[in-house]
Amino acid sequence: DTAVSQTPKYLVTQMGNDKSIKCEQNLGHDTMYWYKQDSKKFLKIMFSYNNKELIINETVPNRFSPKSPDKAHLNLHINSLELGDSAVYFCASSQEGVRTQYFGPGTRLTVL
Amino acid sequence: AQTVTQSQPEMSVQEAETVTLSCTYDTSESDYYLFWYKQPPSRQMILVIRQEAYKQQNATENRFSVNFQKAAKSFSLKISDSQLGDAAMYFCAYRSLNSNYQLIWGAGTKLIIKP
Repeated sequence: DTAVSQTPKYLVTQMGNDKSIKCEQNLGHDTMYWYKQDSKKFLKIMFSYNNKELIINETVPNRFSPKSPDKAHLNLHINSLELGDSAVYFCASSQEGVRTQYFGPGTRLTVL
Repeated sequence: AQTVTQSQPEMSVQEAETVTLSCTYDTSESDYYLFWYKQPPSRQMILVIRQEAYKQQNATENRFSVNFQKAAKSFSLKISDSQLGDAAMYFCAYRSLNSNYQLIWGAGTKLIIKP
């Protein structure tokens, strides 16, 4: 009965490849997020998305794109992976009005 | 723009003792939410405690409590009776009621528990 799940937990890939990370929440929340946590543990919001709008952090390269097939899923696609993309990526969700965000377990992406 | 500052990169405490982690923030808003999240070595981000700015009473969750000083824009986390399982990175976060849902994060404080 995991609330927010992500797959895979670990992803090792070569530069230039395209990869996806999946996120699912079973909390019935209406908003989902993607964060990037760098090696210094700093958390940076990449996207927030609900059924009304996608908000993109303007510093995120357009090689990153979120895809939401339905309210419970927000997948992250990354094209042409670069060494600097190596990080831990967290998915989170919240319900508008409640404000608290609940996080997935994170995906450690390593680009070689 | 809002900012969150955690001035202690690392803190250590003896098991069973009490430790306080500091967090200050800057905002011109009068209503907002504040959070403490914990990230143990497993890297899972876990909500520890949450405070609504309009509430004067400090939030408490078992051994975790906050000292919320709205005028001073301070939101410290007190952990009583520290346990080995409390060892983690602790992040303070701010959320505006008017934001596009995003949290503003501090840089984190690494808490070490000495047995």
